[in-house]
Amino acid sequence: EVQLVESGGGLVHPGGSLRLSCAASGFPFSSYSMDWVRQAPGRGLEWVSYISTTSETIYYADSVKGRFTISRDNAKNSLYLQMNSLTAEDTAVYYCARGDLVGSYSHAMDVWGQGTTVTVSS
Amino acid sequence: QSALTQPASVSGSPGQSITISCTGTSSDVGGFNLVSWYQQHPGKAPKLLIYEGSKRPSGVSIRFSGSKSGNTASLTISGLQAEDEADYYCCSFAGRSIFYVFGSGTKVAVL
Repeated sequence: EVQLVESGGGLVHPGGSLRLSCAASGFPFSSYSMDWVRQAPGRGLEWVSYISTTSETIYYADSVKGRFTISRDNAKNSLYLQMNSLTAEDTAVYYCARGDLVGSYSHAMDVWGQGTTVTVSS
Repeated sequence: QSALTQPASVSGSPGQSITISCTGTSSDVGGFNLVSWYQQHPGKAPKLLIYEGSKRPSGVSIRFSGSKSGNTASLTISGLQAEDEADYYCCSFAGRSIFYVFGSGTKVAVL
């Protein structure tokens, strides 16, 4: 079964850091680009970051640029999001999502995890 | 980058067809044939319904169809069913500087 499972969410104080993980299974992880998408309480979806299969290409939303770092370990079938200098505006459910198979350019996210909740509060 | 514009809500009776619009600019929706649509039930993860504007992934009902004209993409749900009551989001590739932009979301109610 194709599956993505996020972990690492929790309560953190403003200015603090958190590292999210996403464990992939059921598909050749190293052959797919990956994304992080978040959803603040009662709000819509917001794309956060993208990483290519080899980590050569990485993009960030302006709202997190310079504070968040995406990475992956293909040997461990895992995706990560290091989040620093957190503010209340970063409070959200964070989803990891599977992107394109290498060589494909559909730019769609076809598999999503269940999400992990990050709460930034004093 | 502002979110793509979607109506806040759309409603219809069972069996009817409804259409959700998603308006962007020539830098996103109009500039690429790379709009995707997602369905999200409360408390659940989003589900891909449409990619590349009009293609359906395997397993997605043929009642869902997508199209695009200029800077506006549309999702049509035919034969509306109670299970279609959910939030719907469009998403467009927006080039190498912004990458992805989501729509503001539309709540679909089945009357």
